[in-house]
Amino acid sequence: AQTVTQSQPEMSVQEAETVTLSCTYDTSESNYYLFWYKQPPSRQMILVIRQEAYKQQNATENRFSVNFQKAAKSFSLKISDSQLGDTAMYFCAFIPNRDDKIIFGKGTRLHILP
Amino acid sequence: GAVVSQHPSWVICKSGTSVKIECRSLDFQATTMFWYRQFPKQSLMLMATSNEGSKATYEQGVEKDKFLINHASLTLSTLTVTSAHPEDSSFYICSAQFTSGSSRETQYFGPGTRLLVL
Repeated sequence: AQTVTQSQPEMSVQEAETVTLSCTYDTSESNYYLFWYKQPPSRQMILVIRQEAYKQQNATENRFSVNFQKAAKSFSLKISDSQLGDTAMYFCAFIPNRDDKIIFGKGTRLHILP
Repeated sequence: GAVVSQHPSWVICKSGTSVKIECRSLDFQATTMFWYRQFPKQSLMLMATSNEGSKATYEQGVEKDKFLINHASLTLSTLTVTSAHPEDSSFYICSAQFTSGSSRETQYFGPGTRLLVL
């Protein structure tokens, strides 16, 4: 079965610190797509970052970067210089093939403390 | 770019009535749209996949006669909760994918609709 596991249900860090959210997945596919979505209290799902499995280079978007370890099936999200507005639920997700359904993890609730 | 809207943002209705939720891709065309349901503090649960011009594909356990989905154009999909009951109260979210391009697999989400059935 294709699954996504987020082992940290909840985390808290001080503003300006760096935080890493863990995500592992299981698939037998070789070319797939990985995502991190953010859901703030407004409940709007926002795409944070996207990674294509065939690309070895880790994706980055400003303060957000990933550590993609394909052999280990790991896709962690690093948030640098965390801000209060980063407080949200973060979902790791992947699509096994381009035309497949997206599979979500259960989420990590992140609190940025002032 | 890639903006998806939903209307209404929230609705209260009486038990037994039907409620229609609209999902629109505002600045792109979407061959495929998805409908999700989200319970408090939980992840998104896929209800159905909606393809323009064809019947929706429902996930196991989702009643297709209760949750009617129509995808009449490349920018609009609707979800109608028929004969709503209190257990249908939830947060419903739609998403849309580009019809083509290198990011075709990426889903962009609407802001969600909160439904409360009394």
